[in-house]
Amino acid sequence: NAGVTQTPKFRILKIGQSMTLQCTQDMNHNYMYWYRQDPGMGLKLIYYSVGAGITDKGEVPNGYNVSRSTTEDFPLRLELAAPSQTSVYFCASSSTSGPLAPQYFGPGTRLLVL
Amino acid sequence: AQKVTQAQTEISVVEKEDVTLDCVYETRDTTYYLFWYKQPPSGELVFLIRRNSFDEQNEISGRYSWNFQKSTSSFNFTITASQVVDSAVYFCALSGPISRDDKIIFGKGTRLHILP
Repeated sequence: NAGVTQTPKFRILKIGQSMTLQCTQDMNHNYMYWYRQDPGMGLKLIYYSVGAGITDKGEVPNGYNVSRSTTEDFPLRLELAAPSQTSVYFCASSSTSGPLAPQYFGPGTRLLVL
Repeated sequence: AQKVTQAQTEISVVEKEDVTLDCVYETRDTTYYLFWYKQPPSGELVFLIRRNSFDEQNEISGRYSWNFQKSTSSFNFTITASQVVDSAVYFCALSGPISRDDKIIFGKGTRLHILP
């Protein structure tokens, strides 16, 4: 199993540009999450999904959109990039919700918005 | 409200020394779960341990040990005989009861440097 994979690893965007961060997991996990990690800060939840076709907002959803058309994929879209979205983005998945199932994280996507 | 505080932003120790990473949490729940994750320089987060609020027994796994004390709302992590490969950012995290379908709240992390 590859686990959780994310692409790209690094991207530079200009203000106002849009892009999609890809996330794929091959563990057949129902639950998937997107976090952002700002320098010196902990992880903050952007969006999460409890299964294909179902998504919900996390702590910091503004400026982002997600979709979950399949169990494997959970892309994160930035429509109008802003400097405040410069961060490292982590995708994660878990087999169930809540604390009984640890979350498995992807390697992260480093995004710089100039 | 739930909160996780890792007061130590950055720690440097010489290899083979023991080091303890502090984690203090706040929650109104009687049932909750605590976690530690490791983030090595490669960036990927690695799950280390999960403890539930009813189990205060300390846990040891090789050179790693965890001290959970409800009386002080702390869940500290100790690395014994540290090695350079232990250099990473370590996150403490908190989650509420299963029934509430809670998300995990992460602390800001402690960056640990193990010097050769």
